Amino acid sequence: DAKTTQPPSMDCAEGRAANLPCNHSTISGNEYVYWYRQIHSQGPQYIIHGLKNNETNEMASLIITEDRKSSTLILPHATLRDTAVYYCIVSSTGANSKLTFGKGITLSVRP
Amino acid sequence: GAVVSQHPSRVICKSGTSVKIECRSLDFQATTMFWYRQFPKQSLMLMATSNEGSKATYEQGVEKDKFLINHASLTLSTLTVTSAHPEDSSFYICSARDMGGRKNTEAFFGQGTRLTVV
Repeated sequence: DAKTTQPPSMDCAEGRAANLPCNHSTISGNEYVYWYRQIHSQGPQYIIHGLKNNETNEMASLIITEDRKSSTLILPHATLRDTAVYYCIVSSTGANSKLTFGKGITLSVRP
Repeated sequence: GAVVSQHPSRVICKSGTSVKIECRSLDFQATTMFWYRQFPKQSLMLMATSNEGSKATYEQGVEKDKFLINHASLTLSTLTVTSAHPEDSSFYICSARDMGGRKNTEAFFGQGTRLTVV
């Protein structure tokens, strides 16, 4: 079973920031928070991951609460192409570590 | 980032036949690959973990004799759906982690294979 819970859907206006929340209250000390997204009929695309510090890359920012029980993925300037299902996953690292997908959150970016 | 390639991207087969799906890590070595299945409007479900040079580990409820996995090299894993039935029609996706000496690495996913059994 997935160890994360996400709202089923949300929308935002094009050009605005999209803040996607995720709860992972049972996260273990050695588990990272990963975010992936899946555009229809494609394989999941890696976005970002982190352990406890906030992370930023060219795609997004990841804000993890101090107690690590929740996090927020921020797409700073959403575009129509960001419309997708976003999955928040907790997993340890290592070649054999599985990624267990929950239902994800469907983000719809409106013009 | 690293690339994982699946082939074919789409396949249609007749009931009772077998279909092989290939998953390749193009620019890194993958001792472990993962196979997922996704039905329409559902999330990805892990089917099995493929280990180079050894037997695959199947998730509960996945028939190992029906979904044959071979991981013969560090860059190739194959999934064969044997005696396919219409209910096996699904989107099959593989993934692998590029360990490359780094501690914390993301898993990369193939583009998926759409299997339709008629």
